[in-house]
Amino acid sequence: DTGVSQDPRHKITKRGQNVTFRCDPISEHNRLYWYRQTLGQGPEFLTYFQNEAQLEKSRLLSDRFSAERPKGSFSTLEIQRTEQGDSAMYLCASSLAPVWQGAEKLFFGSGTQLSVL
Amino acid sequence: QQQVKQSPQSLIVQKGGISIINCAYENTAFDYFPWYQQFPGKGPALLIAIRPDVSEKKEGRFTISFNKSAKQFSLHIMDSQPGDSATYFCAAKRQYGNKLVFGAGTILRVKS
Repeated sequence: DTGVSQDPRHKITKRGQNVTFRCDPISEHNRLYWYRQTLGQGPEFLTYFQNEAQLEKSRLLSDRFSAERPKGSFSTLEIQRTEQGDSAMYLCASSLAPVWQGAEKLFFGSGTQLSVL
Repeated sequence: QQQVKQSPQSLIVQKGGISIINCAYENTAFDYFPWYQQFPGKGPALLIAIRPDVSEKKEGRFTISFNKSAKQFSLHIMDSQPGDSATYFCAAKRQYGNKLVFGAGTILRVKS
């Protein structure tokens, strides 16, 4: 399978614990995105990397959230001191920078479902 | 602030019928409008997309209609099939922006 891979698929944690998710993008893709999706809503943008550089972060991304993409390959999203409001599906997407900026095609992974008890 | 408003929230269509989902936006800087399809337990998958310089784009049974003056766009699924049952999201993006802004989604059920 050469699609976007996310691990784990499901994570249950207690409030206050730290969690880390991993995303492996499609190998030739230089752009990587993290989105968050809650039940009954569309995905919300969290952050964006071009190669290893984190170029944009949403205001939704509080100080408890940190994302990295070392060497421009896989990415990790860490949430410290989890809160019940962090419960959501965390989606990773990757793309190859297009000739025309607006025509970028994002490929999403199946997500990591986080439940904070 | 909901930048892309999607309706209806849910839709039931008979097999062979036409499914229509509508979206409206406010930000005139948006210039790329994709539709995504999401099945339970999966991430969204790009279905079809349009730029504002055309009023319609068709790919197989899926058509996007775009009304720039009204700032509205819609997805039409012709000859709807039970396999089309999924959640559909419209989205929008600025030309030099990095993020997609999604609508809240429409749950489509096609009855056989």
